[in-house]
Amino acid sequence: AQRVTQPEKLLSVFKGAPVELKCNYSYSGSPELFWYVQYSRQRLQLLLRHISRESIKGFTADLNKGETSFHLKKPFAQEEDSAMYYCALKRSSASKIIFGSGTRLSIRP
Amino acid sequence: ETGVTQSPTHLIKTRGQQVTLRCSSQSGHNTVSWYQQALGQGPQFIFQYYREEENGRGNFPPRFSGLQFPNYSSELNVNALELDDSALYLCASSPMGGGPSYNEQFFGPGTRLTVL
Repeated sequence: AQRVTQPEKLLSVFKGAPVELKCNYSYSGSPELFWYVQYSRQRLQLLLRHISRESIKGFTADLNKGETSFHLKKPFAQEEDSAMYYCALKRSSASKIIFGSGTRLSIRP
Repeated sequence: ETGVTQSPTHLIKTRGQQVTLRCSSQSGHNTVSWYQQALGQGPQFIFQYYREEENGRGNFPPRFSGLQFPNYSSELNVNALELDDSALYLCASSPMGGGPSYNEQFFGPGTRLTVL
């Protein structure tokens, strides 16, 4: 069965420090992986997807098939990065998206 | 262009009752997905509708059912409510569906259901 694991419920870092939100998945095929973000009082929204290989708001995520990981990184955290972050997986042939339980990122001034 | 809207914002029901939640998809979107998000958890996929047909279902019992209308709006119906059905129900629409290709899903604000 497919599963997405986010081991940290809460991650607190100082402004300007590097950020890494961990995500591991279990799936034997070739998954599509995403990071979603929910800012305070806003809707859940897509942050980035691995197939795009893009940097959004300074965040990047690299798919590591050997370690089955898709960690989200940013070199210098900003206060506006404080939010709830969800890692998600989709099989290429299916409509279902599987979300992890989320990590709350708190940036301290 | 209006975004995804959901109604009601919140409601309270008692065990055994039935509830209908509504979702209006974003203009130009023909696919709607429903998710259940329990407190402290990520969203769990309930099902997806594409062009008025169910197009994939998660691990939810048959008492969770849905509809999609010709204008692509959608309803989620839950019969015989249980205490564990208390959650935030999210609707998301996307411009295309049918499985193999992914198109970005745009989420609504959710409906918070409390079952007493």
